[in-house]
Amino acid sequence: EDKVVQSPLSLVVHEGDTVTLNCSYEVTNFRSLLWYKQEKKAPTFLFMLTSSGIEKKSGRLSSILDKKELSSILNITATQTGDSAIYLCAVYSGGGADGLTFGKGTHLIIQP
Amino acid sequence: SQTIHQWPATLVQPVGSPLSLECTVEGTSNPNLYWYRQAAGRGLQLLFYSVGIGQISSEVPQNLSASRPQDRQFILSSKKLLLSDSGFYLCAWTRVGQGNEKLFFGSGTQLSVL
Repeated sequence: EDKVVQSPLSLVVHEGDTVTLNCSYEVTNFRSLLWYKQEKKAPTFLFMLTSSGIEKKSGRLSSILDKKELSSILNITATQTGDSAIYLCAVYSGGGADGLTFGKGTHLIIQP
Repeated sequence: SQTIHQWPATLVQPVGSPLSLECTVEGTSNPNLYWYRQAAGRGLQLLFYSVGIGQISSEVPQNLSASRPQDRQFILSSKKLLLSDSGFYLCAWTRVGQGNEKLFFGSGTQLSVL
């Protein structure tokens, strides 16, 4: 059974801090890893990673995949209160429409 | 551009009552459609997915059912709700084929069964 584990499950930091969220996986046939941000309702797409070692960046957020370690990290620099959200990691193992496995998420709280 | 609509946003239902949640997608044709449930501390659990009209696959045995009467409409139903059906329900869609792992989510329905 495919498995995705995120850590930490929750994190409280102060505005301006840098945070690193972790995602590790065990899947039978890795195709891609995705990060989503869920503020209140609908998760919104952040990144999709398929190649090891290539950083994807969007503003203060960045992510990188390590296929050797079967893991990915999501970095957020100079955090703001608007970064408070649940960050979801998911791994796609192909095989059709149901090939996506989600982790439990990291609940990030940014204190002013 | 594509949009996904999901309603209602919140719902409070008594145990034993029926349920119908609706989801529609605009701006695309023949999408894959999904129903997820999100429970606190348990991540997103896939309930049903559909690759076409009338084609429904269920991931877990449960008290719920799904139907796809039209290409861009996906409905989640129950004849008799249980307390354990409470949760946050998300509808989502993906394109068919390459890149079909990238989900686009609706705004969700918070269901409380009392």
